[in-house]
Amino acid sequence: GAGVSQSPSNKVTEKGKDVELRCDPISGHTALYWYRQRLGQGLEFLIYFQGNSAPDKSGLPSDRFSAERTGESVSTLTIQRTQQEDSAVYLCASSVNRGRETQYFGPGTRLLVL
Amino acid sequence: GQSLEQPSEVTAVEGAIVQINCTYQTSGFYGLSWYQQHDGGAPTFLSYNGLDGLEETGRFSSFLSRSDSYGYLLLQELQMKDSASYFCALGPGANNLFFGTGTRLTVIP
Repeated sequence: GAGVSQSPSNKVTEKGKDVELRCDPISGHTALYWYRQRLGQGLEFLIYFQGNSAPDKSGLPSDRFSAERTGESVSTLTIQRTQQEDSAVYLCASSVNRGRETQYFGPGTRLLVL
Repeated sequence: GQSLEQPSEVTAVEGAIVQINCTYQTSGFYGLSWYQQHDGGAPTFLSYNGLDGLEETGRFSSFLSRSDSYGYLLLQELQMKDSASYFCALGPGANNLFFGTGTRLTVIP
C-alpha cells in the first residue's frame, strides 16, 4: 500500500483479556518497529523486526507482550492478560532497511483497557 | 543510557520563526531526527542530522552540534497548521529511534 496501516484503529477491552494489534508495513520495507505512546508522552520503543526475525526485543515491557512477523510483511503485536497500564497508542513504523533509514509511521491503534 | 531534553511547550505567532532545542546524552550516537505529530495523528519525519551543521528542507531547518550534544529545529514563516508536537529522537540507529518527550508548539494568530 501507499503507507503503513494498522488495525484496529481503536480497541476497548476489559482487564485480563488478550488483544492482537496488526500492522501492515509499506510494501518492500524489510524493517518494522513497534512503539508505545502513552498520553502526552514520547514514543517508547518495544520491538524491531528485520525480515521475520526480531533481533531486538529489549523494549517489550513484560512477558505478556509478544510480536511476530510473517512473510516479511504483516506483523502482530499481542498483549496477554491486559492491564490498565497497557492503555496507550501502539504505533508501528517501517523502513526500507535497518539502520539509518527514515521510519514511516502508521496511524496507530488506540488501546483502552477498562 | 540515553536521554533527551526538550521544552514541553512553546507558543509563537503566525508568520514568526521559532526554535525548538534538544539536548541529549548517549554513549553511542547515530544522528538526531525530528518528527512532527499532530493530535491524534502519526509521527511524520521532518529532518535528520547525521553530521554537524544545518540541514534545510523548505520552511524547516535542523541543526546539530555533536560536541555540545545539542540540536534544534527551526521553523520559519509559521503557519497555523504547524501547531503540533515536535519530537527529537536519537537515531535511527542500529535498531530503533529513541524519542524525547516532545515539545507542543502552539501557533497563535
